[in-house]
Amino acid sequence: EIVLTQSPGTLSLSPGERATLSCRASQSVSDNHFAWYQQKLGQAPRLLIHGASNRATGIPDRFRGSGSGTDFTLTISRLEPEDFALYYCQHYDASRWTFGQGTKVEIK
Amino acid sequence: QLVESGGGLVQPGRSLRLSCTASGFTFENYAMHWVRQVPGKGLEWVAGIYYNSVNIGYVDSVKGRFTISRDNAKNSLYLQMNSLRAEDTALYYCAKGAWEVDLTPAPLDYWGQGTLVTVSS
Repeated sequence: EIVLTQSPGTLSLSPGERATLSCRASQSVSDNHFAWYQQKLGQAPRLLIHGASNRATGIPDRFRGSGSGTDFTLTISRLEPEDFALYYCQHYDASRWTFGQGTKVEIK
Repeated sequence: QLVESGGGLVQPGRSLRLSCTASGFTFENYAMHWVRQVPGKGLEWVAGIYYNSVNIGYVDSVKGRFTISRDNAKNSLYLQMNSLRAEDTALYYCAKGAWEVDLTPAPLDYWGQGTLVTVSS
């Protein structure tokens, strides 16, 4: 069973700053089957990145996904006020979809 | 659009059936999933069913108790939950797989707003 560990738990930054979120898998995974989601308070999650580095439809280019093997990163180049939220990484394969525990990006 | 229903308060050991009604896309062509979230906690994938209704998967903690199914004629997804436990208390989301007519594992590109299940005596 693959376990995804996200770090840090909370990231305190100011608007305009760069955010770097990490997700480490307990074993090597296919980067074709790796995603990032954003969840705002009281809302359903929204797909940001799939295939480790492909932005989903309508996602601004300030969101960038990278990584392979066991280490994956979500970078938000310049935080906008609407980017302060929870972020989850996810691995998906034929029979299981696994989420990390989440990283909260909060306003400093 | 995905709209969940069927949640509520139920006693431990009892059953509940969740429904998700889809619109705006060709439902029969996509895998569908249930994902749950304890309020204030993280996301947990519960079950998924591919477009062919043959390929189905469950998280270990619900195997043998929950059954996912779909009725393509009604554009509906279901989750039959039996032998409910307190730890099943959560907001249950219905979510759509991103790839059409494809058995390749896919991310979840559209989500409903969820239906709350509370298991308590």
